Amino acid sequence: EPEVTQTPSHQVTQMGQEVILRCVPISNHLYFYWYRQILGQKVEFLVSFYNNEISEKSEIFDDQFSVERPDGSNFTLKIRSTKLEDSAMYFCASKAGGGTGELFFGEGSRLTVL
Amino acid sequence: AQSVTQLGSHVSVSEGALVLLRCNYSSSVPPYLFWYVQYPNQGLQLLLKYTSAATLVKGINGFEAEFKKSETSFHLTKPSAHMSDAAEYFCAVSDNAGRRALTFGSGTRLQVQP
Repeated sequence: EPEVTQTPSHQVTQMGQEVILRCVPISNHLYFYWYRQILGQKVEFLVSFYNNEISEKSEIFDDQFSVERPDGSNFTLKIRSTKLEDSAMYFCASKAGGGTGELFFGEGSRLTVL
Repeated sequence: AQSVTQLGSHVSVSEGALVLLRCNYSSSVPPYLFWYVQYPNQGLQLLLKYTSAATLVKGINGFEAEFKKSETSFHLTKPSAHMSDAAEYFCAVSDNAGRRALTFGSGTRLQVQP
């Protein structure tokens, strides 16, 4: 069964360092998303991406964050200078089309900022 | 603006007992509503969704949910809990065209006692 895969499963980094989280969406999907979940809190939307551009972003997704689909298969989330409060589980998701199609989630990447 | 509120961060039931997980929504437009489940160390999996057709929606694993506009609720139920139902459950809302990203509730952890 097709699935969304994320790497790394867990990354520990020092405050101020750059982090890149990688996602491989399901191959025929066109819409891509990043969400995050701080421990004990709700799942929060970060950004959605379609047709090689950001289609929607939340207030969380500030200038420290960027997304890219560099090669037609990977979908990456970059945090330029990590802060302690960026520690969270980051989920990638993809969807085949617009509308109410099912959103498929990866297993998440846990980021710990020290 | 859209939001969902899940009442009860933890729910514990006995095996064979009724499962009831509560979700109330707030939306300025007719909503689409979703329930996702997250098993330990896995991503989010869609259980069921309401997209303005039948108000009683059946999902996987014997779960169902009823959309009640008058109560702005979308509670998740299952007549008889199994040990395998132990997981975290998330309610989510989107706009009625599915264009906006999902807004998630804070989640309810279901424990099933033998």
